[in-house]
Parts: sequence; structure tokens; C-alpha cells
Amino acid sequence: SQQGEEDPQALSIQEGENATMNCSYKTSINNLQWYRQNSGRGLVHLILIRSNEREKHSGRLRVTLDTSKKSSSLLITASRAADTASYFCATEEAGTALIFGKGTTLSVSS
Amino acid sequence: NAGVTQTPKFQVLKTGQSMTLQCAQDMNHNSMYWYRQDPGMGLRLIYYSASEGTTDKGEVPNGYNVSRLNKREFSLRLESAAPSQTSVYFCASSYIFRNQPQHFGDGTRLSIL
Repeated sequence: SQQGEEDPQALSIQEGENATMNCSYKTSINNLQWYRQNSGRGLVHLILIRSNEREKHSGRLRVTLDTSKKSSSLLITASRAADTASYFCATEEAGTALIFGKGTTLSVSS
Repeated sequence: NAGVTQTPKFQVLKTGQSMTLQCAQDMNHNSMYWYRQDPGMGLRLIYYSASEGTTDKGEVPNGYNVSRLNKREFSLRLESAAPSQTSVYFCASSYIFRNQPQHFGDGTRLSIL
């Protein structure tokens, strides 16, 4: 059962531009997490935001969470070619394990 | 510091063969997980072990068994492989089961002919 759903499925931008990815979910959550996956590699954790938090920053990453709309966004500022990867949101509901969405594929060209 | 190590990295099996995928973590984590990743499907949880001595089914457990050998190691066994089990398998770990980031291995690419 898929909880989080990322939008768009694919995104192509130029180096230096900002990239925004969105995640919508259906039920109440304890936290929402964002992960990055480079081609042929495992997932790497980026940010965890709890249900009582609205915004978190980590370097060039900014994550927002709107529990009233059941949605989150991941903003990558000043994108680089090295940011090319797939990005997944994952939600943790009370009493269940983490559930991953299908991901957004980001392509950053120089 | 290796993190999460999965072996083997690649494997080809024939239908009906059995195989065990190995996973070990060196971060003193209590919780471990097995996922499969198929094109267009994201990651789906097969089994997890919230703490040493416990295992629980995830979303897609049919055709698999797991063993939490000790705190470091969590193995996934395919008793009678089927072509539908062709996938990339990821092992992950976290310090505890709730409200923690997961750390992933680089996966095992498994093809079943």
C-alpha cells in the first residue's frame, strides 16, 4: 500500500536553478522523511520532519510539511549536476513501518 | 566504517532454486529491514526486525523468510525462487524502530530465470 505520492514523476532543470518536489499522503503521520538514490546505489537519508514541525533546513535542502493538506515539499536550491538522482518521500504512521513513495527522478544538466 | 553491507551484489538463479541474501550493519542499530525495489513501484517492505529476537511481516512477505541472526545480521531467504522475485533487494537499519532515519546498503540485484 503506497502512502506517499511524489509529484512530478520526473523533473529536468539546468544547473543553478531550484528544484521543487512534492509529496502527498493520505493518513495521519508521525514523521515524513526524504531520501535520495543515485543510480545503482542504495537510498541515502536527507531529512526527517516530525508531524509537529513545519519546516527544516539542511544545507541547500529545505523541507516543509503541511499536515492540514497532508503534503510536504523538498526544495533543492542552486542545483548541481551531482544532485541528479531519484528522490523519495517516506511516511511513518503510528504503529506501522516506514512506507515509501514511488519517487521523483531529477535530472540536472550543465 | 562500512555501514550496511549486503552480499552478494549480483546473483542469477533458476526457477525453484533457493538462496539466502546476507546483510550486516556495524552501527549498533537495533532495527533492520528488507525491501525490494521494482521499476515504477518504489520500495516495498518485505520483513523487518524491530529489535534483536523479533521479526515481522511487511507489505510483501510471501515467498520469503528472514532470520535475525544477532544484533548485526539479518538474512533474507528465498526458498523456491520464482521469476516474479526478480528485483533489487535492499537491506536497511535504524537505531530504533520509530522516528529514526534508515541507513541502506547498496543492494543485491537478483535475476530469476
